[in-house]
Amino acid sequence: NAGVTQTPKFQVLKTGQSMTLQCAQDMNHNSMYWYRQDPGMGLRLIYYSASEGTTDKGEVPNGYNVSRLNKREFSLRLESAAPSQTSVYFCASSEVRQGASADTQYFGPGTRLTVL
Amino acid sequence: AQSVTQPDIHITVSEGASLELRCNYSYGATPYLFWYVQSPGQGLQLLLKYFSGDTLVQGIKGFEAEFKRSQSSFNLRKPSVHWSDAAEYFCAVVDSGMDSNYQLIWGAGTKLIIKP
Repeated sequence: NAGVTQTPKFQVLKTGQSMTLQCAQDMNHNSMYWYRQDPGMGLRLIYYSASEGTTDKGEVPNGYNVSRLNKREFSLRLESAAPSQTSVYFCASSEVRQGASADTQYFGPGTRLTVL
Repeated sequence: AQSVTQPDIHITVSEGASLELRCNYSYGATPYLFWYVQSPGQGLQLLLKYFSGDTLVQGIKGFEAEFKRSQSSFNLRKPSVHWSDAAEYFCAVVDSGMDSNYQLIWGAGTKLIIKP
């Protein structure tokens, strides 16, 4: 049981390049999330997927796209990277039980992205 | 809009001393509250959560937190810290506003430094 896995762990891009961050979970969770973490700002939600087949914007979606490929996998794509997207990216998943509005989120180890 | 405030960016504590990390939130009704810990270079791990019931919540690694409605606080405590507790700690609250889809609102984090 690996939990939430993310690839790659590190990436350096040049401005304008594109890339896709991969995330997979093996806990059979319905909900998945992409966050970015910047110093002094906590975590900010980029996109989330409440269930397979649905995606919604979070607080900072500009410059990103996502795909919920199946129940296990949720990818984040940067079409044209900018230096402002230099950050640490975390994927998380959650099983929101029936009747509950929220539950624990389980996090991957993160991807450290630098855009030059 | 709801918000979470962690007033202390850094806290330094001697090994073996007690610890209290502060978290204040702005929300009218009873919130769902979380504390997460992030060790250097790692993802986030849940320490404890409060949804309802007993206002003193026990978590992993000897941590506890107390929900105080009158003070809008959910402070994290540990009676005796160990060097391995050096990490960054994040408080989060569920956003139950309209159209929020119950996403988490995160504090900016408190970095805990342990003095030998």
